[in-house]
Amino acid sequence: AQSVAQPEDQVNVAEGNPLTVKCTYSVSGNPYLFWYVQYPNRGLQFLLKYITGDNLVKGSYGFEAEFNKSQTSFHLKKPSALVSDSALYFCAVRERNNNDMRFGAGTRLTVKP
Amino acid sequence: DTGVSQDPRHKITKRGQNVTFRCDPISEHNRLYWYRQTLGQGPEFLTYFQNEAQLEKSRLLSDRFSAERPKGSFSTLEIQRTEQGDSAMYLCASSLFPENYGYTFGSGTRLTVV
Repeated sequence: AQSVAQPEDQVNVAEGNPLTVKCTYSVSGNPYLFWYVQYPNRGLQFLLKYITGDNLVKGSYGFEAEFNKSQTSFHLKKPSALVSDSALYFCAVRERNNNDMRFGAGTRLTVKP
Repeated sequence: DTGVSQDPRHKITKRGQNVTFRCDPISEHNRLYWYRQTLGQGPEFLTYFQNEAQLEKSRLLSDRFSAERPKGSFSTLEIQRTEQGDSAMYLCASSLFPENYGYTFGSGTRLTVV
C-alpha cells in the first residue's frame, strides 16, 4: 500500500528566502504525486501534481516540485517566500491502479516578515 | 458552479445522536470522495463514488457510517449513534475521471460530538 512521509512538522523561513517542504513516498510502481495547501478552517487547495514527463512541475502561486524517483521524493519549493504562504501543506500519493489518495501528516509553514 | 460545497460547515451534536452531512460536487465531475481529517493529521480516505455507485470503502468506515449518492450528483454521509471519537473535519472532494488526476476539495464539515 502507498504511504507518504513529511518529515518536518514545522518549517520556518524569512520572507524573501527560498523555502523547501519535504515529502517522501512509498508505492509499488509509478506514482501520481500531489501537493495541497490548507488555510485555517478551510478545505484543501490543489497546488500542483506530477503525473508523468518532466520531473520538475510548476504549480500555483509560484510553487514548484521535483519528482526524484531514485530518492522517492517530491519536495515542494518556492524561490522567494511570502508571508501569505504561511499555511499547512500536504503531500499526497496515489498508485496508478488505486483510487485511494494517501496524504502525509502535513507540514506547517510559517513565513516571518 | 465554482467548486465543491459542503453543508453544514459546523455541527455540534450529543453523543448517541445521528448526523447527516451533504456534499455537492462540481457538476460535471463523476467521482466523489469522502475523507476524514483529525487535528494534526492528514486527510484519511473513507469512501468514493463513481456516479451513483459506491466503488470503495475504507476499513475506517464502520457500520455506523453510511454514504449515498443516489442520483450521481450530491452525496450524503450519515453517522449513526455518534461517539466522541467521530469528532473530526469531514472533507468531500470530486474529480472527473479519467481526465483529472487531482481532486477538488470542499471546505469541509467540522463535527464536534459532546
